[in-house]
Amino acid sequence: GAGVSQTPSNKVTEKGKYVELRCDPISGHTALYWYRQSLGQGPEFLIYFQGTGAADDSGLPNDRFFAVRPEGSVSTLKIQRTERGDSAVYLCASSLGSDSSYEQYFGPGTRLTVT
Amino acid sequence: EDKVVQSPLSLVVHEGDTVTLNCSYEVTNFRSLLWYKQEKKAPTFLFMLTSSGIEKKSGRLSSILDKKELFSILNITATQTGDSAVYLCAVKGNKLVFGAGTILRVKS
Repeated sequence: GAGVSQTPSNKVTEKGKYVELRCDPISGHTALYWYRQSLGQGPEFLIYFQGTGAADDSGLPNDRFFAVRPEGSVSTLKIQRTERGDSAVYLCASSLGSDSSYEQYFGPGTRLTVT
Repeated sequence: EDKVVQSPLSLVVHEGDTVTLNCSYEVTNFRSLLWYKQEKKAPTFLFMLTSSGIEKKSGRLSSILDKKELFSILNITATQTGDSAVYLCAVKGNKLVFGAGTILRVKS
């Protein structure tokens, strides 16, 4: 079956622009997570959704970052007024539920480069 | 603040060697510890550990958790070049917190 997919796979944008990154979770997975991974580091939690609502957005670094999941499936991570420090791989993961017994399946990520 | 520390940062071995990767953690409300293998972008799941002292095994890979000393090890025996990757340890407390990873390179 299809895994988690993310588009685009690569995005290059200029400082100050707005970008949207999309995540398609595995069908039937109610929990969806966004992470950011900088070079040489492990993934860093940003936000997680249970259904349509953001259950925990404590990892979002500032108010330039926002994410939605309006129908409880596809999610979009939105970054306004991008900065060079936003350059990273943005990973999305989904799981059957948010309970700790459920494994998170990761997508291939979107590599964002802000010039 | 929840913290996961992995060691060594990187490791180069020859095919056939056995390696041990370490993960120590401090986390509030521990629920589970997970190991992932990351080759290109997407981390792929290896193990989930919730109980101390019970070894989980999958082929040449095995892992064990010590909840008293707050660490876990991942063992890979008879390493192959295909084992070359970044190995990530993550701990689930209130959220999933990752370590920085161990870069393993297996030379033929």
